[in-house]
Amino acid sequence: AQSVTQLDSQVPVFEEAPVELRCNYSSSVSVYLFWYVQYPNQGLQLLLKYLSGSTLVKGINGFEAEFNKSQTSFHLRKPSVHISDTAEYFCAVTGPGGYNKLIFGAGTRLAVHP
Amino acid sequence: ETGVTQSPTHLIKTRGQQVTLRCSSQSGHNTVSWYQQALGQGPQFIFQYYREEENGRGNFPPRFSGLQFPNYSSELNVNALELDDSALYLCASSSQGNTEAFFGQGTRLTVV
Repeated sequence: AQSVTQLDSQVPVFEEAPVELRCNYSSSVSVYLFWYVQYPNQGLQLLLKYLSGSTLVKGINGFEAEFNKSQTSFHLRKPSVHISDTAEYFCAVTGPGGYNKLIFGAGTRLAVHP
Repeated sequence: ETGVTQSPTHLIKTRGQQVTLRCSSQSGHNTVSWYQQALGQGPQFIFQYYREEENGRGNFPPRFSGLQFPNYSSELNVNALELDDSALYLCASSSQGNTEAFFGQGTRLTVV
């Protein structure tokens, strides 16, 4: 069985500061990993995904994430955040062939303050 | 813009009633998945439909059922509603073999 743990439920940060949102996963098979963002009263938008290849993945809005197989982690980073990045962020995992059967973490609330 | 539309946007039902939620998938997508997102939690996979057949199910009881139509739109039906069914229900569409799922804005169901 697969599972995802997001280590921080809330992350407060000042505008233009760097941020890291942490995600660890558990799986007995190879996985595909995703980060989604959810703005208030909206659905989920894909930020980035790791399928294979380079462990450093770049996504939209200046976000990037690094896949670390030995530590079973997929942390999301941004070097300089904006007020508009305030949202809920979800890490998700699926097995090969299990597209759109995602297992999500509980989410991390990113609050960017001026 | 994702192109996945869900209706209605909000709904209030009484415990014990039945509800039907609808989803129109993005053009060209033949796979639809439904997720339940309780307040303060991550989405949980309910089930997936591919070419009008159920193609995988999460840990939800049989009173959660679905349909997919020839145009790939989909319905989620929940019978005998319970208070804990109150949640945001998300629909996501994709093409079979494509790793990206596109989400609708969801239907907020409140059971009283």
